[in-house]
Amino acid sequence: GENVEQHPSTLSVQEGDSAVIKCTYSDSASNYFPWYKQELGKGPQLIIDIRSNVGEKKDQRIAVTLNKTAKHFSLHITETQPEDSAVYFCAAGGTSYGKLTFGQGTILTVHP
Amino acid sequence: GAGVSQSPSNKVTEKGKDVELRCDPISGHTALYWYRQSLGQGLEFLIYFQGNSAPDKSGLPSDRFSAERTGGSVSTLTIQRTQQEDSAVYLCASSLRQHSGANVLTFGAGSRLTVL
Repeated sequence: GENVEQHPSTLSVQEGDSAVIKCTYSDSASNYFPWYKQELGKGPQLIIDIRSNVGEKKDQRIAVTLNKTAKHFSLHITETQPEDSAVYFCAAGGTSYGKLTFGQGTILTVHP
Repeated sequence: GAGVSQSPSNKVTEKGKDVELRCDPISGHTALYWYRQSLGQGLEFLIYFQGNSAPDKSGLPSDRFSAERTGGSVSTLTIQRTQQEDSAVYLCASSLRQHSGANVLTFGAGSRLTVL
């Protein structure tokens, strides 16, 4: 089955800096890669996703890049703000029925 | 409803007791998923429903775990004879296939289960 590795497990940045979180996946059949943000006591919330026919996608301060050949994808957050502090999860899956395999999560802390 | 609703939000039980966790998905979402999140860990897939049937229950950890869905809506996850290792947050998600073909999962806030 699919295996997703996520790094780093913790990331601490100063407000205004950029943050990058990286994931690798094992199953070349995976073609859907979402990123979720989870705040304390809440369920994960989708922040951005990318399909395998696209190499990069951007939404305001958030961008995701995908390298299918190397089987890795990354989340980039620019101009970080304290409210970006949360746990971020990457995931990989097919589009047949939405089953996702998640990475272990990255605790992002943005210091004011 | 506006989002995925789960109840109870917190459940403390004694080892050996049975528990039921409920999920009310977004209206119109035909797909429903249960995931488990242990402390400091990622999300572990448990089971997938399409309508009332469960074509993928490969993630259920043991025969103490079961789930059902009725009316293509509400789902119940049942854990029998709970063990301490069952302590976790149980997350439910529902989805609607997008025009792009992707299934975008929307999660509930979860049910935190503590087994003493």
